[in-house]
Amino acid sequence: QSALTQPASVSGSPGQSITISCTGTSSDVGGYNYVSWYQQHPGKAPKLMIYDVSSRPSGVSNRFSGSKSGNTASLTISGLQAEDEADYYCNSYTSSSTVVFGGGTRLTVL
Amino acid sequence: QVQLQESGPGLVKPSETLSLTCIISGGSISNYYWTWIRQPPGKGLEWIGYIYYNGNTNYNPSLKSRVTISLGTSKSHFSLRLSSVTAADTAVYYCARVLGTTPARFDYWGQGTLVTVSS
Repeated sequence: QSALTQPASVSGSPGQSITISCTGTSSDVGGYNYVSWYQQHPGKAPKLMIYDVSSRPSGVSNRFSGSKSGNTASLTISGLQAEDEADYYCNSYTSSSTVVFGGGTRLTVL
Repeated sequence: QVQLQESGPGLVKPSETLSLTCIISGGSISNYYWTWIRQPPGKGLEWIGYIYYNGNTNYNPSLKSRVTISLGTSKSHFSLRLSSVTAADTAVYYCARVLGTTPARFDYWGQGTLVTVSS
């Protein structure tokens, strides 16, 4: 299985909105509404931010939202804050009942 | 509050078998999927495999021939074994719990443990 495709980096200024894309195939992202997004700060374990494309776990800010169109899922962060600076990873369930991650995106808050 | 803690040797010799245990506290192993994920230094996350509380497993096809995930007899831990390791297996290894019944949502994570493969 091939890794999902994410941009290596994105950046934005405080208060702005950014979007991170996650592109797969009809065998993973496009075939199921089981895409999740994780935030990882340096030296820390990842944290679940979005699951099932657009659902937020309890305690996650509503500034984080997810969507999907075809084989591409997206994570949008609105009202960007300094603490949002981190690496972000998507993952998806696949037609083989396995899980595949994206390569990760480094978010820089300018 | 569920807490997960990985344990095992931090150094493994090439060609040997890497063995890690994930200790679960504050919750039960029952009715959940449990998974292992790794992250080579400076690189992205890689899913290794998962086990359901009934013992059913599924593995990353690229690692399938070398991986075994099993449940502990005490029902408070599960384990990872990765055979014939090379330097490419050097990584931080995380255990995690799956939210719900679709094994692509990882809601609780251990802190991770660095395993270095070197002679």
